[in-house]
Formats: sequence, C-alpha cells, structure tokens
Amino acid sequence: AQSVAQPEDQVNVAEGNPLTVKCTYSVSGNPYLFWYVQYPNRGLQFLLKYITGDNLVKGSYGFEAEFNKSQTSFHLKKPSALVSDSALYFCAVRDDWTPLVFGKGTRLSVIA
Amino acid sequence: DAGVIQSPRHEVTEMGQEVTLRCKPISGHDYLFWYRQTMMRGLELLIYFNNNVPIDDSGMPEDRFSAKMPNASFSTLKIQPSEPRDSAVYFCASSLKIQGTYEQYFGPGTRLTVT
Repeated sequence: AQSVAQPEDQVNVAEGNPLTVKCTYSVSGNPYLFWYVQYPNRGLQFLLKYITGDNLVKGSYGFEAEFNKSQTSFHLKKPSALVSDSALYFCAVRDDWTPLVFGKGTRLSVIA
Repeated sequence: DAGVIQSPRHEVTEMGQEVTLRCKPISGHDYLFWYRQTMMRGLELLIYFNNNVPIDDSGMPEDRFSAKMPNASFSTLKIQPSEPRDSAVYFCASSLKIQGTYEQYFGPGTRLTVT
C-alpha cells in the first residue's frame, strides 16, 4: 500500500526567502506524485504533478518540486516566498489504479 | 465547467439528527470520492465510486455513514444519526481516471458541526 509522510507540521519562512516543504513517499510500483494547496475555507487545489522523466517539475504560482527516486522524496520548493503563499500544502501519491493518498499536510507561514 | 459543486457549504445540526451532504462532480468524470478532513486525522478517504458504482467503502467509519450515487451527476453522503465526533469538513472530489497522472479535483467542502 502507498503512503506519504510530511515530516513538518509547520514551516515558517521570511518573505523573499526560498522555501521547501518536505515529502517522502512509499509505493510498490511506479510513483505518481502530486502537490495540492489549500487556502482557508477552500477546497484543495492542484499545484503540480510528477511526470516520468522530469526530475524537476514546474507548477502553478512559481512552485516547483524535485523528484528524487533514491531518497523517495518529492519536496516542494519556491525560490522566493510571498506572504500570499501562506496556506496548507498536501503531498499525495498513488499507485496505478488507486485513489490519491494524502499526507497530513504542512502549514506554510510566510512572514513579511 | 463550474468545477465540483457541494452543498450545503455549512451545516449545523444537533446530535441524533440526520445529515445529508450533496455533491455534483465535474461532467464527464468517471470517479467520485468523498473525503473527511479533521485536525487530528488529516484528510481521510471515506468511499469512492466508479461509474456510479461504489468501489471501496473501507474508509467509512461506521454504519451510521452511507453514500449513494444514483446517477453520474449527483452523489450524497448521509450520516444518521449524527454525533459530535462527526464534526469535520467533508470534501467531494472527482477525476476522469485514477491511473497515472490524472489529478483529482476537489469541491469547496461542507463544514459540518454537530452539537
């Protein structure tokens, strides 16, 4: 069965600094990896996904994620954080033909 | 497309009452999912449907919970009787497929409070 770990409940970063939100995964087959963002009182919004062959994936709002097969990680990154990036971020993984399994989420707080 | 639509957005009810949450998936999507989000347990998959047929309901917490999908454009999640521990945000999501890189699209959620 697949699983996702987001080791940090909270990440604080100053505006303008780079940010990283960590995610590690476990699947039995090929990993299909996703990041979603949730703003207050809203549903989850798709941010980006891993497509085989591109270890650095670019997504919405300037976010990117780095796939590392040997470390089974898919960390979310952004070169320069904005206050408006403050939200709850979820990493998700699936095996083929299964629904997404989500991590517990990491709350990102960008401080002006 | 309007996206996944859920109603009501907020529901406050008393313990013991029946609660019905509603969802309209994105047109053409074959899969529909019900999730529950709480601070303690995060985002839990309750049940999902493929072409209106329930595929996996192992996440449904108790017999008090039931879900139906009478047609491709409508699903309900019912709690009867409701209890305070059912208080949570319930999300509906839909997807064209559940293989590979097909993403799931989420509705805005229903915030349920049981007093």
